[in-house]
Amino acid sequence: QKEVEQDPGPLSVPEGAIVSLNCTYSNSAFQYFMWYRQYSRKGPELLMYTYSSGNKEDGRFTAQVDKSSKYISLFIRDSQPSDSATYLCAMSASSASKIIFGSGTRLSIRP
Amino acid sequence: NAGVTQTPKFQVLKTGQSMTLQCAQDMNHEYMSWYRQDPGMGLRLIHYSVGAGITDQGEVPNGYNVSRSTTEDFPLRLLSAAPSQTSVYFCASSYARSGGGSYNEQFFGPGTRLTVL
Repeated sequence: QKEVEQDPGPLSVPEGAIVSLNCTYSNSAFQYFMWYRQYSRKGPELLMYTYSSGNKEDGRFTAQVDKSSKYISLFIRDSQPSDSATYLCAMSASSASKIIFGSGTRLSIRP
Repeated sequence: NAGVTQTPKFQVLKTGQSMTLQCAQDMNHEYMSWYRQDPGMGLRLIHYSVGAGITDQGEVPNGYNVSRSTTEDFPLRLLSAAPSQTSVYFCASSYARSGGGSYNEQFFGPGTRLTVL
C-alpha cells in the first residue's frame, strides 16, 4: 500500500465550477500537507500548505486536512481555464524530513 | 536569481552508458533533492542532501549516485543506464530548518527528460 493515495483522474469540469481534489494517507506521523501545481512540461510549484489539521484559504483555493480520517482536500472555487494542470498532494512528518508525493490528479477546465 | 537550473533538458542514452545530470541553485539553500516522475507514480525521491558533504538515500536510490561538494551543486550520476530509468528527473532545493508549523517551500527545476534505449 502506498503511503499517499491520490485519484489520478483525469478530471474535466466547466469553467466556473467548484473543483474538489482529494488524497488519503496512512502515516499518522505526517504533520505538513502540501498541494503542488504542475503545468505541462514544467516543474511543480507550491500552491499552499497546511500544518496539522484544519483549513487554510488563499483566494479561490481552500485546503482542508482531517487527520482523524487521514484525508486531505483542495477546493478550487470559480475555476478558470488557467487552473488546468496536474495537482499533486504531498506530505511530510516535519519541515526538514523527506516529502512523499501523491501520484497527481490531472485537471482540465473547459471554457 | 536563476533559481534551480538543470542540464541537460533532454538526453537519450543506450543501455549501459553512464551520465551525470547537473543541478545548481543560487538561493543558498541547504536542502537539495532529486526526484523521478513516472506516469501514474507521482514524484519519487531518489537521493537528498541537507548540506555540503552530507547525502542520504530516498525511496528509489538503486542505480544512482550523488555527491554534494558545494552548497550550490548537486549532480546525479547514472552508473549504468537501464530502460527502467527512462523518466523525467527533477531537482529541488529549499532551506533546511524551520519549526513551529512553518514549511520550507521546495523550489523545483524545469526537469530533464531521459530516455534509455
